[in-house]
Amino acid sequence: KAGVTQTPRYLIKTRGQQVTLSCSPISGHRSVSWYQQTPGQGLQFLFEYFSETQRNKGNFPGRFSGRQFSNSRSEMNVSTLELGDSALYLCASSVGQGIEAFFGQGTRLTVV
Amino acid sequence: GESVGLHLPTLSVQEGDNSIINCAYSNSASDYFIWYKQESGKGPQFIIDIRSNMDKRQGQRVTVLLNKTVKHLSLQIAATQPGDSAVYFCAEYAGGTSYGKLTFGQGTILTVHP
Repeated sequence: KAGVTQTPRYLIKTRGQQVTLSCSPISGHRSVSWYQQTPGQGLQFLFEYFSETQRNKGNFPGRFSGRQFSNSRSEMNVSTLELGDSALYLCASSVGQGIEAFFGQGTRLTVV
Repeated sequence: GESVGLHLPTLSVQEGDNSIINCAYSNSASDYFIWYKQESGKGPQFIIDIRSNMDKRQGQRVTVLLNKTVKHLSLQIAATQPGDSAVYFCAEYAGGTSYGKLTFGQGTILTVHP
């Protein structure tokens, strides 16, 4: 059974640009959550999607957005990138509420 | 200003020893408590969870203890192996409408010496 796949693995972007990250969940998993991991703040919840609907959202500015497609694949978008957005972005999929979540390897975003 | 990196607690053990990793949680109303392991260059990996109405749960080589009186969670790893070296996170799931949201602790670095 394939795990959670995130693409790309690494990204370098310039301040002010926007970026789209992709996540393919484990087959059969309908819940996809996104997290930001930084040395300063640790792991922080961004948002969660289930059956193409955002069910929950963390305390991030509106520059951070996401969506989920009918096949459960999800994307997150960050617009007007800031240096502080440099982080490891992790996607996690689960069957239901997200307690036993399966994480991808993450996308390392560097904003210069 | 410049962000200050988290200074993670560290635990160093010898191979074969038992390890105990501790975590203090904040939300007494959390429904589930979970332990995750993150190896370098990888995403967190689920280890074990415990529901708030339980005190102890055992898995393969791991035991989680929950003390709700003092809001404390611990992960015991028996016969620790070099492959157990990683950062360990405790996480809380609040339940209710907290869909998909895990609140993670700062993490503990476990180093196992052969």
